[in-house]
Amino acid sequence: QAVVTQEPSLTVSPGGTVTLTCGSSTGAVTSGHYPYWFQQKPGQAPRTLIYDTSNKHSWTPARFSGSLLGGKAALTLSGAQPEDEAEYYCLLSYSGARLFGGGTKLTVL
Amino acid sequence: QVQLVQSGAEVKKPGASVKVSCKASGYTFTYYAMHWVRQAPGQRLEWMGWINAGNGNTKYPQKFQGRVTITRDTSATTAYMELSSLRSEDTAVYYCVRDWSGMDVWGQGTTVTVSS
Repeated sequence: QAVVTQEPSLTVSPGGTVTLTCGSSTGAVTSGHYPYWFQQKPGQAPRTLIYDTSNKHSWTPARFSGSLLGGKAALTLSGAQPEDEAEYYCLLSYSGARLFGGGTKLTVL
Repeated sequence: QVQLVQSGAEVKKPGASVKVSCKASGYTFTYYAMHWVRQAPGQRLEWMGWINAGNGNTKYPQKFQGRVTITRDTSATTAYMELSSLRSEDTAVYYCVRDWSGMDVWGQGTTVTVSS
């Protein structure tokens, strides 16, 4: 069983840039893992920000972008806002089965 | 508008089964897949499986093989997730999530509490 790894916590200053990463114990993350990124605020259901590595939904703020970086999936937030403080989860596909990472608690401070 | 409305909260005893429903509206049910995701209190999201609502094909993670069953009723545009042999660690909020491109719509969540 693969393990999907994320930074447990990160801090970014308002207006700053931060990159969250998502790695796989099986090796490099590729587009074939169809990486997803979700944002979850306390007491709320998650919402999907990024799918298939870099695709955005209509509600995804332009300051969020997805990519592959150094063998991992990456979520970059450029110009952080206080409302971006949340837990962020990645999801990878392994031959159709899905696996979430442990989540990254992002603090905007 | 597109909506997924889940059934209400459940309280179950250890060893029992629970069946959560997810009523879809506002789109062609059989054109999409449906995932089930759960989150125990203070824990990470956990993928439980999915179903192709068109042909009924399913896929489950190894962890839940034999204990989870996802089905759908196309006439009722409803997906179901049944979890058996419940234990305290199954206490969680369970979500259905529509997918074909983007896991774009989430249900409101159903709280399942397992307690003796």
